[in-house]
Amino acid sequence: QSVLTQPPSVSAAPGQKVTISCSGSSSNIGNNYVSWYQQLPGTAPKLLIYDIIKRPSGIPDRFSGSKSGTSATLGITGVQTGDEADYYCATWDSSLSGWVFGGGTKLTVL
Amino acid sequence: QITLKESGPTLVKPTQTLTLTCTFSGFSLSTTGAGVAWIRQPPGKALEWLTLIYWNDDKRYSRSLKTRLTITKDTSKNQVVLRMTNMDPVDTATYYCVHGGGGLAMVREIDYFDYWGQGTQVTVSS
Repeated sequence: QSVLTQPPSVSAAPGQKVTISCSGSSSNIGNNYVSWYQQLPGTAPKLLIYDIIKRPSGIPDRFSGSKSGTSATLGITGVQTGDEADYYCATWDSSLSGWVFGGGTKLTVL
Repeated sequence: QITLKESGPTLVKPTQTLTLTCTFSGFSLSTTGAGVAWIRQPPGKALEWLTLIYWNDDKRYSRSLKTRLTITKDTSKNQVVLRMTNMDPVDTATYYCVHGGGGLAMVREIDYFDYWGQGTQVTVSS
């Protein structure tokens, strides 16, 4: 049971927009930065979004992040077949004194 | 450019101690604010943070695994070592060595994990 709650799966047709939610509490998302990771099949995770809304160099602006209260959201516009992957949210948890990840969300492009 | 690579046994027996080494380049663990973490992923399951060591030898451990984990660093060799005792089949996973980014030295923990090693698969079986 992950500390951060994500939907197990989402789907979208090519070109559409999809959002992935990440729900936590005041000890984690509510008071800390959130990051998002993309894990393509058979590869190591890759940083997608950091500090809630920022994108590392090379990440297209189709990917965006936001936060409201104790929940964070990853948005992907113009979904492509190459976006099929598992997506994870993560943050520091002050109560646990450690980093926590969501359970992951599998994006399927129809 | 930052790179990290994990090395160690691919197979360990139950009750044995696992020792994994992370060899990195492109940064120094003696630089204020730097941190290196270990994160694992059982087959078909989610990522799980295990431990992190900072430039000043400050350490963080997963509360659920704290009694079994030890993280150390050798700054001169650009290496970080993970030891996990009393291995069990449920510890079968891919183990990643990861560079921590962001944060504010001595004020705020690192904020994200920006560079990942390729991972090393560890199977626990007799």
